[in-house]
Amino acid sequence: DVKVTQSSRYLVKRTGEKVFLECVQDMDHENMFWYRQDPGLGLRLIYFSYDVKMKEKGDIPEGYSVSREKKERFSLILESASTNQTSMYLCASSIQGETNEQYFGPGTRLTVT
Amino acid sequence: GDSVTQMEGPVTLSEEAFLTINCTYTATGYPSLFWYVQYPGEGLQLLLKATKADDKGSNKGFEATYRKETTSFHLEKGSVQVSDSAVYFCALIPSGGYQKVTFGTGTKLQVIP
Repeated sequence: DVKVTQSSRYLVKRTGEKVFLECVQDMDHENMFWYRQDPGLGLRLIYFSYDVKMKEKGDIPEGYSVSREKKERFSLILESASTNQTSMYLCASSIQGETNEQYFGPGTRLTVT
Repeated sequence: GDSVTQMEGPVTLSEEAFLTINCTYTATGYPSLFWYVQYPGEGLQLLLKATKADDKGSNKGFEATYRKETTSFHLEKGSVQVSDSAVYFCALIPSGGYQKVTFGTGTKLQVIP
């Protein structure tokens, strides 16, 4: 079975801190994604990557950056956390091909105080 | 741009009732269509998919048919169980994309005994 793991289930950070969210997949998938999930808004794509060192902006990239140095790992970085970044963050991966499903991690609930 | 519209929840049903969750989409060409489910405290997982017009996806008693003429992909189940309580997301991947998925806002289903 494909496994996507995220470094933390719950995280509490202070405004202005630099925050790293890590995601690792074990199935050699080319594509990796970061979403945030908010009530009433569904899932919104922050960034995605279709290869090592490649990244593309999603729908809401402002205030975030990403890093993909190895195929299995995709990191989301909040350079200076703000309270409006309090959310559930979901990582996903998939193989190339537009009919293929995405596999999701369990999510990280981030609270910025 | 592409979009997915789902019926608003929450939907509350008694056990063994019939379920329909409506989903319509806007996209050019022939997107692939998906239903994902999110159980409490977990990430999303694929429930079913359909990749061309008139295809029917099915899994765990759930079904959805890709209707190009009405741009719809409604989710149905003949007899729901308490264990089906979850949030259901309709989603699409446009043809020719880098698997950039567009999700609906989700519909919460609560099944009571």
